[in-house]
Amino acid sequence: DTEVTQTPKHLVMGMTNKKSLKCEQHMGHRAMYWYKQKAKKPPELMFVYSYEKLSINESVPSRFSPECPNSSLLNLHLHALQPEDSALYLCASSQVLTGTYGYTFGSGTRLTVV
Amino acid sequence: GDSVTQMEGPVTLSEEAFLTINCTYTATGYPSLFWYVQYPGEGLQLLLKATKADDKGSNKGFEATYRKETTSFHLEKGSVQVSDSAVYFCALNSGGSNYKLTFGKGTLLTVNP
Repeated sequence: DTEVTQTPKHLVMGMTNKKSLKCEQHMGHRAMYWYKQKAKKPPELMFVYSYEKLSINESVPSRFSPECPNSSLLNLHLHALQPEDSALYLCASSQVLTGTYGYTFGSGTRLTVV
Repeated sequence: GDSVTQMEGPVTLSEEAFLTINCTYTATGYPSLFWYVQYPGEGLQLLLKATKADDKGSNKGFEATYRKETTSFHLEKGSVQVSDSAVYFCALNSGGSNYKLTFGKGTLLTVNP
C-alpha cells in the first residue's frame, strides 16, 4: 500500500458546525502533515506530527485542532470555521521527519464553509 | 531562507510539442529537489526527484537535472499529451533536520489536441 487516503473528498459545513477530516496511511511512515491549499496557490504547511506527537504548529488558528490517534491515522477537527477557510486540505506522510525524499500526499478534502 | 522560483504560467501547448518549465532555487546546504504534479481536482503526486548535484530524475517521459552551478531544476518532456494538462510545482527541501518542503508558485500547463 503506497497511498495516503483522505476522507471525505468533499465537505460543506456551516460556520457553527463541528466536523472532522480523516487521513490514513499504511506505509509505516512516522511523520504526517496537514497542508492547506487555496485555489491557484501552492500548499501551505499547517501541522506536523512525528511519532504521533505534534512537532510543529505553523501558527494555525485554534478552530483547527489536529489529532494523531495512532501511527496510521491523522485527524483534523474543525469548529467555528470562517468562509475564508474554504480550501483543499491535504494530508501527507514521510518515512521520518525529514523532507529529503519528499512526501506522499493524499488526494485531499475540498472544504466549503458556508 | 529557502525559495523556489518557477516560470509563470499558464503554458499552452499543442499535443506532441516540447515542454520546458523553468525552476531555479535558493537554499542553504545541499537541497533535495522535486517536481510535483496536481491534476484537476486532485492532490499532489510526486513526479520526480533528485537528491544530489548532477542527478537526473525521470518519470513518465518527464526529466529534470539537478544543476548546482546554475541552481536550477528545469522540467522537460519531449512530446506532451493532453493528459499532461495539470499544475506543476517545483519544490525543495534543504536537508538535515529540515522537514519543510518549499514550493514554487506552480505552473499551469494546458495541452490542446
